[in-house]
Amino acid sequence: GENVEQHPSTLSVQEGDSAVIKCTYSDSASNYFPWYKQELGKRPQLIIDIRSNVGEKKDQRIAVTLNKTAKHFSLHITETQPEDSAVYFCAASSLTSYGKLTFGQGTILTVHP
Amino acid sequence: DGGITQSPKYLFRKEGQNVTLSCEQNLNHDAMYWYRQDPGQGLRLIYYSQIVNDFQKGDIAEGYSVSREKKESFPLTVTSAQKNPTAFYLCASIPSSRGANTGELFFGEGSRLTVL
Repeated sequence: GENVEQHPSTLSVQEGDSAVIKCTYSDSASNYFPWYKQELGKRPQLIIDIRSNVGEKKDQRIAVTLNKTAKHFSLHITETQPEDSAVYFCAASSLTSYGKLTFGQGTILTVHP
Repeated sequence: DGGITQSPKYLFRKEGQNVTLSCEQNLNHDAMYWYRQDPGQGLRLIYYSQIVNDFQKGDIAEGYSVSREKKESFPLTVTSAQKNPTAFYLCASIPSSRGANTGELFFGEGSRLTVL
């Protein structure tokens, strides 16, 4: 089955800096890669996703890049703000089974004012 | 207001007892999922159901059971056979697991189970 590794497990940055979280996956059949943000005590929410037919996707301060050959994808947050502080999860699945996600272990991002 | 409702939010159980976690959605979504969240391990899939009266095991189904008698409801029972049941349980749904335009999972607020 699929295995997703996520690094780092914790990340601390100053407000205004950039943050990068990296994930690798093992199953070459995976072609859908979402990122979820979970604030303390709240439900995970999708912040951005990418499909294997594109290499990069951007939404305001958030971007995701995908390297299918190397089987890794990354989340980039620019101009970080304290409200970006949360746990971020990457995940992978195939487009034929969207909800069956394999998640990474999570990254605790702390943005210091 | 559409969404997914999980109850109870907190639950304490003695060893050897079965407990059932409720999950109800009014989003008219076809597929529903149960995930377990443990610190440092991300979310792991327990069971899922793509249609009423049908469900499939996920990666960690041992010690759990589910039913899907109605489209809106997907309860999870944590049985006494589950060796380490203390965890945060998240229910989720998706419009359709087949040919959906988006893969976004909609999560409930979660249920925290503690075994005493």
